[in-house]
Amino acid sequence: DSGVTQTPKHLITATGQRVTLRCSPRSGDLSVYWYQQSLDQGLQFLIQYYNGEERAKGNILERFSAQQFPDLHSELNLSSLELGDSALYFCASSVENRASEQYFGPGTRLTVT
Amino acid sequence: AQSVAQPEDQVNVAEGNPLTVKCTYSVSGNPYLFWYVQYPNRGLQFLLKYITGDNLVKGSYGFEAEFNKSQTSFHLKKPSALVSDSALYFCAYTGGFKTIFGAGTRLFVKA
Repeated sequence: DSGVTQTPKHLITATGQRVTLRCSPRSGDLSVYWYQQSLDQGLQFLIQYYNGEERAKGNILERFSAQQFPDLHSELNLSSLELGDSALYFCASSVENRASEQYFGPGTRLTVT
Repeated sequence: AQSVAQPEDQVNVAEGNPLTVKCTYSVSGNPYLFWYVQYPNRGLQFLLKYITGDNLVKGSYGFEAEFNKSQTSFHLKKPSALVSDSALYFCAYTGGFKTIFGAGTRLFVKA
């Protein structure tokens, strides 16, 4: 158990809908990262927050947004969902940037029908 | 552009034999390199990292990796493979505030 929790585990929704994925980092970790894992595109970095502030953006679509709250939990919002958004979404946390390893949650499997 | 490459989609090895999973990098400055493993239906787990210092890094579950600056490589190795090592392995680089993962290499260890 990495200490990172993600909810829900599974999510099935229809195209055009909006969903929110939630992540609680390990106790003491200030950085939260979001990744998308799909079969054809591997593991893609989406966005990183550090102590409530956005630190880095990767290949995150404009339909997606995220935030980190004062209690350090984070939410990833996906809107106007398309079939291609079906994937595993992982959250990870770390103590600090660059030199620190990341601890991954179990992921949320999103299926868009 | 910064990148991490895993040239092999799949590696097959017999149990008890040594294994190597390859990773090469193309980055500017001093690289921070990591290896992670992913078992089916699980999140990634950290194995080891290279930040600075000794080029041979030891990690979890008997794995080690050798940082080679002249060849820009960071290959993952284990002297004797176990069937339970079968999984998906990712090499990763952290630069600035971004983490870039390789495409992953699926390791099959046959009994």
